[in-house]
Amino acid sequence: NFMLTQPHSVSESPGKTVTISCTRSSGSIASNYVQWYQQRPGSSPTTVIYEDNQRPSGVPDRFSGSIDSSSNSASLTISGLKTEDEADYYCQSYDSSNVFGTGTKVTVL
Amino acid sequence: QLQLQESGPGLVKPSETLSLTCTVSGGSISSSSYYWGWIRQPPGKGLEWIGSIYYSGSTYYNPSLKSRVTISVDTSKNQFSLKLSSVTAADTAVYYCARRTVTTWFDPWGQGTLVTVSS
Repeated sequence: NFMLTQPHSVSESPGKTVTISCTRSSGSIASNYVQWYQQRPGSSPTTVIYEDNQRPSGVPDRFSGSIDSSSNSASLTISGLKTEDEADYYCQSYDSSNVFGTGTKVTVL
Repeated sequence: QLQLQESGPGLVKPSETLSLTCTVSGGSISSSSYYWGWIRQPPGKGLEWIGSIYYSGSTYYNPSLKSRVTISVDTSKNQFSLKLSSVTAADTAVYYCARRTVTTWFDPWGQGTLVTVSS
């Protein structure tokens, strides 16, 4: 099966933009949808992006998702960072199994 | 609003079988549009998919856990269950249940339940 690799951590100041990558080890990133989940400490994961670039209702448009076939990766971009965005973020996709990314801790300085 | 709630023992002895149940409320587990899944998270670590089940009973499991995992469904109770056999300390984790769409999107998730493997 494949792996999804994310940077361990990213940090940025309030109001700035961060982008988290999610690189697929084998197989095409475009062959299966990618989801992104936010997990605040002590809470269950919640979806911020599904089906590559769709936002669930209630998720602000500061969150956006994209796919880059050239780098075989997906990206989550958070613009206008707020302190409430500080959390762990996981990408997730599927082949014959469901696979979660390694997770990225976002710190808002 | 669909809600999922995990239940089961919080402490399991090594070599024994971990058993958890997920109760679905606010919707039917027999919907043809969804699978139902288990995901776990060891303390301080990332998420690991365990397996999923369709209301008909069709299952698929994480290959790394397949030999020890059984997931079943009880449509009359709107529940699905997880059994993980021969547990070790490495199976200590928060266990989540979640609904999975046909496009493999897990949402919503239960609140999670911590299971500790210790004698």
